[in-house]
Amino acid sequence: LAKTTQPISMDSYEGQEVNITCSHNNIATNDYITWYQQFPSQGPRFIIQGYKTKVTNEVASLFIPADRKSSTLSLPRVSLSDTAVYYCLVGPERYNFNKFYFGSGTKLNVKP
Amino acid sequence: NAGVTQTPKFRILKIGQSMTLQCTQDMNHNYMYWYRQDPGMGLKLIYYSVGAGITDKGEVPNGYNVSRSTTEDFPLRLELAAPSQTSVYFCASSYQDRVDGYTFGSGTRLTVV
Repeated sequence: LAKTTQPISMDSYEGQEVNITCSHNNIATNDYITWYQQFPSQGPRFIIQGYKTKVTNEVASLFIPADRKSSTLSLPRVSLSDTAVYYCLVGPERYNFNKFYFGSGTKLNVKP
Repeated sequence: NAGVTQTPKFRILKIGQSMTLQCTQDMNHNYMYWYRQDPGMGLKLIYYSVGAGITDKGEVPNGYNVSRSTTEDFPLRLELAAPSQTSVYFCASSYQDRVDGYTFGSGTRLTVV
């Protein structure tokens, strides 16, 4: 399973766009990039997944360059309720249970 | 639709005591998991199950046991609690073994003193 590197924390203000970058230099050909969001005192929840180029849904966008060695989660116009920890996971779409690795994530703090 | 329900939400145990963390899902998911999350850290897989009657160890199984007698329930048993087991425990389920398909419960915060 590819190791990922994310910033430990980020600060932002309400209404700003936030971009969280994840490095995964050893990504394999069949690996997908998946992001989960964890609010305080809650379990993580899936927000977006991609393989290459750009993916967008109602919550976020995911940008993946051609070499796929990094990816960027983009949150448009954040609000206080977007304060959470964001995890980047890299692995096969159908994963090996023992290798589903959550790192420490990026703690996003949105200020008023 | 309740999703994944965990009980209790909070518990304080004394060293050496035992307890069972309950997890129930109503989505008819085949796959269920138990994770622990230490302060400021990511999640670590304790045990998982691919269906009723089938369980297997994850990354950190020592000190824990599980059973899966029904599709809905996946209890986690702590025997002889130790301070190192102080953590937040999350149960999750998924319909298929897809990394984008997890549903997590709200967690059980356990303190062993």
